[in-house]
Amino acid sequence: GQQLNQSPQSMFIQEGEDVSMNCTSSSIFNTWLWYKQEPGEGPVLLIALYKAGELTSNGRLTAQFGITRKDSFLNISASIPSDVGIYFCAGFPHDMRFGAGTRLTVKP
Amino acid sequence: NAGVTQTPKFRILKIGQSMTLQCTQDMNHNYMYWYRQDPGMGLKLIYYSVGAGITDKGEVPNGYNVSRSTTEDFPLRLELAAPSQTSVYFCASNVGGGYTFGSGTRLTVV
Repeated sequence: GQQLNQSPQSMFIQEGEDVSMNCTSSSIFNTWLWYKQEPGEGPVLLIALYKAGELTSNGRLTAQFGITRKDSFLNISASIPSDVGIYFCAGFPHDMRFGAGTRLTVKP
Repeated sequence: NAGVTQTPKFRILKIGQSMTLQCTQDMNHNYMYWYRQDPGMGLKLIYYSVGAGITDKGEVPNGYNVSRSTTEDFPLRLELAAPSQTSVYFCASNVGGGYTFGSGTRLTVV
């Protein structure tokens, strides 16, 4: 099955800083999804990408579907304390697989 | 519109016991999924279904069984619980690209 490699594993940043994380796949994906999970909750969809090269924003979040269809990145601009959580990439042609997550800590 | 509903929220099982984790969705989604999430880890796909009567294995299917007799329901069965199955289990459904997750079932096997 397809492998998803997500990096970095964790980030400790100061409030106001920008954040960038990425995901790479061993196979071509038709869809890339970015989720955020807070403690005790299920993942919540942030951004969905459907076409190679697509760049989509959701407030301070921006994600891109890589041209090769094997990678995607998520940027968060001007981070705030409520951005804390675990961010997962996911993608599939047939069944959705998740990356291992990036644990984000924002220091006020 | 309840979305994806999972029951129970918490359960403690003894080794060797069996149980069924229930998942139901009211959005008429064809695709449904079961994931497990171990502490500090990402989600691993156990089984998925592309429609009623159709199921397929994910990354970590051993020790689990599923059925999909209706579009709404996708129960996950553990026949002989083992400590390695201690985890949080999430059910999800989608049509197109919009995935919806349930709030999870926290299972402990002792």
